[in-house]
Amino acid sequence: GENVEQHPSTLSVQEGDSAVIKCTYSDSASNYFPWYKQELGKRPQLIIDIRSNVGEKKDQRIAVTLNKTAKHFSLHITETQPEDSAVYFCAASIGSYIPTFGRGTSLIVHP
Amino acid sequence: NAGVTQTPKFQVLKTGQSMTLQCAQDMNHEYMSWYRQDPGMGLRLIHYSVGAGITDQGEVPNGYNVSRSTTEDFPLRLLSAAPSQTSVYFCASSYSKDGLAGLVTGELFFGEGSRLTVL
Repeated sequence: GENVEQHPSTLSVQEGDSAVIKCTYSDSASNYFPWYKQELGKRPQLIIDIRSNVGEKKDQRIAVTLNKTAKHFSLHITETQPEDSAVYFCAASIGSYIPTFGRGTSLIVHP
Repeated sequence: NAGVTQTPKFQVLKTGQSMTLQCAQDMNHEYMSWYRQDPGMGLRLIHYSVGAGITDQGEVPNGYNVSRSTTEDFPLRLLSAAPSQTSVYFCASSYSKDGLAGLVTGELFFGEGSRLTVL
């Protein structure tokens, strides 16, 4: 089955800096790559996703890039703010209903 | 729409007790699933369902049962609770379609979570 590796497990940045979280996947048939944000004590919520027919997608301060050849995708957050502090999960699915999640990255933004 | 509703939010059990975590969604989603979240382990799939009457095992199914008699409900049953089942449980649903077969995979909507402690 699919295997998703996510790095780093913890990321600490100063407010205003950029943050990058990287994920790799194992199955070249994967074609949907969502990112979820989970604030402390809350449920995970989708923040951005990308499909395999595009290489990059942006939404204000967040962007996701996909390299199908290398089988990795990344989340980029620019001008980080304290409210960006959360756990971020990447996931990959193989054109089915069933995403496989990475283990999560705890992002801490220091004011 | 209420979205995905999970109950209870908190539960303490003794080893060997059984219980059911309830999950309901009012979005007419075909796909429903249960995850457990443990520190450093991410979200691990327990069981899932692609429609009423259809269920299948995920990554960590042992000790859990599910059923899907209606589109709306997907309860998770712990048959004989063990301390290793102490975790936070999330139900999630999706209106998923697979582009290859005429459907498109979509966003997962999560419930608020249920924190279970087994003593």
